[in-house]
Amino acid sequence: AQTVTQSQPEMSVQEAETVTLSCTYDTSESDYYLFWYKQPPSRQMILVIRQEAYKQQNATENRFSVNFQKAAKSFSLKISDSQLGDAAMYFCAYRRLNTDKLIFGTGTRLQVFP
Amino acid sequence: DSGVTQTPKHLITATGQRVTLRCSPRSGDLSVYWYQQSLDQGLQFLIQYYNGEERAKGNILERFSAQQFPDLHSELNLSSLELGDSALYFCASSVASSGRAGDTQYFGPGTRLTVL
Repeated sequence: AQTVTQSQPEMSVQEAETVTLSCTYDTSESDYYLFWYKQPPSRQMILVIRQEAYKQQNATENRFSVNFQKAAKSFSLKISDSQLGDAAMYFCAYRRLNTDKLIFGTGTRLQVFP
Repeated sequence: DSGVTQTPKHLITATGQRVTLRCSPRSGDLSVYWYQQSLDQGLQFLIQYYNGEERAKGNILERFSAQQFPDLHSELNLSSLELGDSALYFCASSVASSGRAGDTQYFGPGTRLTVL
C-alpha cells in the first residue's frame, strides 16, 4: 500500500524568507501524481502545486516550487518570499495513475512570523 | 471559493443517531469524492461517485453510505453514530474520473460533525 510521510509536524519562517516542507512517499508504481494542498484556518483545502512523476522538471507556481527526487521518493515544497497568508497546514498527497483516490500525509503546520 | 458547496457547515448530534451530509459539485464536474478528516486518522478517502455510479471505495465504514443523484449532487449518510465519527467531512469534485493529472479535485468547505 502506498504511504505518504510528512516528518515535520510544525515549521516556522520569517516573513519574506524561504522555507522547505518535506514529504516522502512509498510506492512500487512508476507513474503517479504528487500534490501539495494548503489548509488555512478556514479549513478549505486548496491545491498549491502538482507534479507528474514522469516529468523530470520540477513544478513551479509563482512563489511555490517543488524538489521532486523520484529515486529517493521525496517531494519537498519550497515557499519563497513567505507571506503571512501562507500560514496554514500543508498536506502532501499521492495519487496512482488511473485512479482518483488521494492519499494524504499527516500535514505540516507552517507559522509565518512578521 | 472552489465552487463546491456543502451543507450543513456544522452538525451536532448524539450517539446512535443518523445524519445526512450534502454536497453540490462544481458546475460541469461529474465526479464527487468524500473524505474524512479526524485528529487520529488524518485525511482519509471514503468513497467516489462518477456520474451517478460508485467508482472507488476507501476506508468507509459499513454504517456509512453515499449516493450521487441525477443532478450530480451527492449525499453521505452516517448512521449509528459513535463518538469517534466526530470529524470534518469534505466533499471534492472533479471534471472526470480518469486519474489524469489535469483532473484537479476541488474541495468544498467541509461539514464539521460533532457526536456527543
